Parts: sequence; C-alpha cells; structure tokens
Amino acid sequence: DAGVTQSPTHLIKTRGQHVTLRCSPISGHKSVSWYQQVLGQGPQFIFQYYEKEERGRGNFPDRFSARQFPNYSSELNVNALLLGDSALYLCASSLGLADYNEQFFGPGTRLTVL
Amino acid sequence: AQSVTQPDIHITVSEGASLELRCNYSYGATPYLFWYVQSPGQGLQLLLKYFSGDTLVQGIKGFEAEFKRSQSSFNLRKPSVHWSDAAEYFCAVLKTSYDKVIFGPGTSLSVIP
Repeated sequence: DAGVTQSPTHLIKTRGQHVTLRCSPISGHKSVSWYQQVLGQGPQFIFQYYEKEERGRGNFPDRFSARQFPNYSSELNVNALLLGDSALYLCASSLGLADYNEQFFGPGTRLTVL
Repeated sequence: AQSVTQPDIHITVSEGASLELRCNYSYGATPYLFWYVQSPGQGLQLLLKYFSGDTLVQGIKGFEAEFKRSQSSFNLRKPSVHWSDAAEYFCAVLKTSYDKVIFGPGTSLSVIP
C-alpha cells in the first residue's frame, strides 16, 4: 500500500509570494495534520483536518490556511511568504481524530524562501 | 507551559555499542509518550509508544524505552547500534487525548564504524 505522499518535494519561492503544498493520505485515513519543521527543531503542529473539517490549529498566523477535499487529500497554503517560513513541511495521516492514533508521516516538502 | 526536552543535541556512538537517548517532560500527570525516528530526506516513523501499563515498552528495529514517573523521563535504548540507526530521533508527548502532540527538539545520532 502507498504511504503518505506529498508534492512537490522541493520548492523555492521569494518573499511575498504564495505557495500551495499538497498531501495525499494513506487510503482509509480520514485525518490529515500539517507540521512545520524548522532546521534543527522538532515538528510544530499547524493544522488538523478530519472529515473535511478543521479540528485543530496551532500557533501560526492567518497567512497559513488549509483545506481537505472529499477524497481526504489536503492542501496547505501560505500567503505573503517570509524568510522565516523556510522549513520542511510535513503531512501526517491517521485513522482517527485523536493524536493517540498512530500518525503516518510523508517525506515532506522542503520550502526555501529567498 | 508544556515542555519536552531532549538534553543531548548530538550523540556519536560506535557501531555495536549500546545507546540511550534521553527525554524529559514537564507535566503533572502521565501523558502519552512517543519516540519517532527521521532518516535523512524522509518523514518521521514511529518507533514505540507508551500509554499505560508496563513501563518498559518494546518497539521496532530493536529499540525499547522505559517510562519513569519519578523522573518524568522516557529514555530510548538499544543494546547494539547498527550503522543504519544514524538518524534524528524525536521524543513526543501528548498531554491528554484531547491535546495535540508536542515534539522535542530532537537528538541527532551518528554511528562510527
């Protein structure tokens, strides 16, 4: 079975631009969570979507938004990019809503903002 | 404030030697505890988890971890390290079933032949 997939693998943008990152969960998983991992740090929670509804939001500015589609895939959008948005963005899927359900992570999208 | 600490930023061990990676948390009650591994260019993979019961838990790839309530610790161990174990290791804590997982800063493991 395919694991969690993310696209693109790498992305280079300039300050002020907009970016869209995509995630396809494991088949049958209804929960998708997004994390930001800055170099040298652990992942930080951005959003969780379950059954196409936002179920959790981390401490990130409104420039960050996300959505989940009927097939449970998800997009993360970041507007007005800042240099500090440079990071590895991870998507994780799980069967259930609660975080004690095992989360399966994708390989991530490496975003570089110049 | 909720906190997960991993005191060792980087550890180097020889292949075949034993390994212990430290993790401490600052909650009053017993949280849900996890260890993840991240190999270069890859996402995180769950090694093991502790929710309740036996304080020594076994995971994949020969790893184990021990929960010690008195020390608020959940240290990861492996008796004999392989070169393929070189990676970044993250301890993670879930305070209650209604909260979100919080990851520690990670420990980078290097293995020398």
